[in-house]
Amino acid sequence: KAGVTQTPRYLIKTRGQQVTLSCSPISGHRSVSWYQQTPGQGLQFLFEYFSETQRNKGNFPGRFSGRQFSNSRSEMNVSTLELGDSALYLCASSAPGTGTGELFFGEGSRLTVL
Amino acid sequence: GENVEQHPSTLSVQEGDSAVIKCTYSDSASNYFPWYKQELGKRPQLIIDIRSNVGEKKDQRIAVTLNKTAKHFSLHITETQPEDSAVYFCAASPNTGNQFYFGTGTSLTVIP
Repeated sequence: KAGVTQTPRYLIKTRGQQVTLSCSPISGHRSVSWYQQTPGQGLQFLFEYFSETQRNKGNFPGRFSGRQFSNSRSEMNVSTLELGDSALYLCASSAPGTGTGELFFGEGSRLTVL
Repeated sequence: GENVEQHPSTLSVQEGDSAVIKCTYSDSASNYFPWYKQELGKRPQLIIDIRSNVGEKKDQRIAVTLNKTAKHFSLHITETQPEDSAVYFCAASPNTGNQFYFGTGTSLTVIP
């Protein structure tokens, strides 16, 4: 069974640009969540999608947005990039069901903002 | 919202000794507490979890304890081995969705 796949793995952007990251969950998983990982801050929750609906949202500004498609693939977008957005963005999927369960993480997309 | 604090931030132990990592949480509604291990350059992976209706859970050399009254939970690793060296994250989930609040991580080094 293929794991969670994230693209691109690495990207460099400049301040003010926007970026779109993609995540393909494990087959059959309908919950996809996104986390920002930075040194010293750990993993911070961005949002979670379940069956194409945003089910939960973290405390990030509106520049961070996401969506989920009917095949459960998800994208997140960051507009008007700031230097502080440099981070590893991790996507995670969870097994079917509406309850809380194990997160299966992708390898992440490392974003550098110059 | 939920706030999870994790201590210590770094921990060094001799091979064969035990390691303990502690976390506290603030939201009494949190009912699921997983622990993730992240080796250098790799993705986080679940190593053990506990739900609020259980006080302790053990899986070979790893155990987790939960004190709901005090709002804290701990990870215990016995007979540590060099391959246990990694960053460990605790987390808490206050709702039925997959929204997790993570601690800031503990970098564990096991010295051979």
